[in-house]
Amino acid sequence: DSGVTQTPKHLITATGQRVTLRCSPRSGDLSVYWYQQSLDQGLQFLIQYYNGEERAKGNILERFSAQQFPDLHSELNLSSLELGDSALYFCASSLAGPNEQFFGPGTRLTVL
Amino acid sequence: GENVEQHPSTLSVQEGDSAVIKCTYSDSASNYFPWYKQELGKRPQLIIDIRSNVGEKKDQRIAVTLNKTAKHFSLHITETQPEDSAVYFCAASNTGNQFYFGTGTSLTVIP
Repeated sequence: DSGVTQTPKHLITATGQRVTLRCSPRSGDLSVYWYQQSLDQGLQFLIQYYNGEERAKGNILERFSAQQFPDLHSELNLSSLELGDSALYFCASSLAGPNEQFFGPGTRLTVL
Repeated sequence: GENVEQHPSTLSVQEGDSAVIKCTYSDSASNYFPWYKQELGKRPQLIIDIRSNVGEKKDQRIAVTLNKTAKHFSLHITETQPEDSAVYFCAASNTGNQFYFGTGTSLTVIP
């Protein structure tokens, strides 16, 4: 167990819908990262937050947004969902600076 | 931005043999290079990492080497075992604000 929690574990929804994925980082970690992993694909970096502020953006679509709250948990919002958004979404947390990232168990999103 | 390339994409070895996975990076400012192992259906987990002030690091059967001049780093697994079968990802980071991952290597260890 990495100490990072993600909910829900599985999510099945329809095209055009909106969903929210939730992540709670390890105690003491201020950085939260979101990744998308499609079938047989690598880890695509989406966005990073540090202590409530957005620090870096990767290949995140405009239909996707995220935020980190004062208690440091983070939410990833996916809207106008398309079939191609079906993937495993990981959240990771770490201490400040370039350090080991601890990954959550992931949320598997299926868009029908 | 940074670009990390990883080779090979698949690797099969006999149990007991060594496995080597190589990554190159483009940004000379990158200074932290972790390796993650992802078993099927599970989360990625760090197996070893190296910082740019070190050329080599070893942890039991796993070692990582870094050549800053050539901008490449490699993962070496010796005496491979079936439980080493997984997908391995290399990554590079500078400030820790963004990690650039390689595309992964699927390692199969044949008993």
